[in-house]
Amino acid sequence: GDSVTQMEGPVTLSEEAFLTINCTYTATGYPSLFWYVQYPGEGLQLLLKATKADDKGSNKGFEATYRKETTSFHLEKGSVQVSDSAVYFCALSMNNAGNMLTFGGGTRLMVKP
Amino acid sequence: NAGVTQTPKFQVLKTGQSMTLQCAQDMNHEYMSWYRQDPGMGLRLIHYSVGAGITDQGEVPNGYNVSRSTTEDFPLRLLSAAPSQTSVYFCASSRDGENQPQHFGDGTRLSIL
Repeated sequence: GDSVTQMEGPVTLSEEAFLTINCTYTATGYPSLFWYVQYPGEGLQLLLKATKADDKGSNKGFEATYRKETTSFHLEKGSVQVSDSAVYFCALSMNNAGNMLTFGGGTRLMVKP
Repeated sequence: NAGVTQTPKFQVLKTGQSMTLQCAQDMNHEYMSWYRQDPGMGLRLIHYSVGAGITDQGEVPNGYNVSRSTTEDFPLRLLSAAPSQTSVYFCASSRDGENQPQHFGDGTRLSIL
């Protein structure tokens, strides 16, 4: 079946450091790819998405590029802030509606001042 | 802006008890879903609905029932709780359309003793 694999955390960075969270996927077709973020005590929020190969999703300084050749969707940010501390989930959807998501295990990011 | 509202936020049950987790959305979204979140496993889809009167199973449906009598509400029922159902449960909704973002509630933390 379809699956998503993320690097295990926690990832601990100092403020203004560069962030990469790796995400790879396995799917029988061509999924849409998403990054969701979960702040403490809250539900998940969509951070960015990409629906076809070579698309780049971006939001709030975060970016991820849909790489079909490597089946990857790595999340990057050039300069993290303390407020970016959260759990980040990579996910895929095989249907156009994007309402049936397969999630990775999540990566906790901790940013220290 | 209520969005997706889940009740209760916390619940402790004994093995064998039944319970209904409530989920309501005020955005007139067609799609609604239930996920469970377990450490290191991300979120897994339990059941979903594409509209009032229509429900279907997700990845981990056993032990759970759902119904969708109105567009707004999508309750999740545990008929006979088991310790393996200890988890955090999230309800999500989205509009009809391609790759619409999922809107998540704040979750229900459920412990089965």
